[in-house]
Amino acid sequence: AQSVAQPEDQVNVAEGNPLTVKCTYSVSGNPYLFWYVQYPNRGLQFLLKYITGDNLVKGSYGFEAEFNKSQTSFHLKKPSALVSDSALYFCAVRDPSANQAGTALIFGKGTTLSVSS
Amino acid sequence: EAGVTQFPSHSVIEKGQTVTLRCDPISGHDNLYWYRRVMGKEIKFLLHFVKESKQDESGMPNNRFLAERTGGTYSTLKVQPAELEDSGVYFCASSTLSTGAGGSYNSPLHFGNGTRLTVT
Repeated sequence: AQSVAQPEDQVNVAEGNPLTVKCTYSVSGNPYLFWYVQYPNRGLQFLLKYITGDNLVKGSYGFEAEFNKSQTSFHLKKPSALVSDSALYFCAVRDPSANQAGTALIFGKGTTLSVSS
Repeated sequence: EAGVTQFPSHSVIEKGQTVTLRCDPISGHDNLYWYRRVMGKEIKFLLHFVKESKQDESGMPNNRFLAERTGGTYSTLKVQPAELEDSGVYFCASSTLSTGAGGSYNSPLHFGNGTRLTVT
């Protein structure tokens, strides 16, 4: 079965420091991987995706993520955190080879990022 | 373009009552999804429409939940009768039927702000 794990409920980092939000996945085929961010009282916003190609993908607001097939990970990173990055971050996966009719995303439980000034 | 809109933003109902949530996807988006997040847990898939057809409803919890998308435009999700465990945030999302590499699998979902349902 497909699954996504975000092992940290919360990540705390000081403004200006690099940040990493961890994500590991389990799929039977080649994964399509996504990161979304949710600000308070808002819907999820798409940050970036990995489909194929370069393992390092760049997305919105200076975020990037690295696909590591051997470790089945897709960690979200940013070189220098901003207070405004504080939000809830979700990792998600699709497995096109899975025997399912739809194209729904499977989400992790989310990681709260708190950036202090 | 207008985003995905959901109504109401909040709903508080008593156990046993009925609630209907509405989602208006982005115009032209044939894929429409319903998800639910219970406090502190994963965002769980409920079901997926392609136009007016239910493509996958494997995530619907039970027969108290009924989703429709008449005419392939907006969608409604009815909970009848509501139970305490139905409380959570219900998200709607839409995407295009991409014809590029990977088809719809590489199309990001566009989410609404969600409906926070509280059953007391």
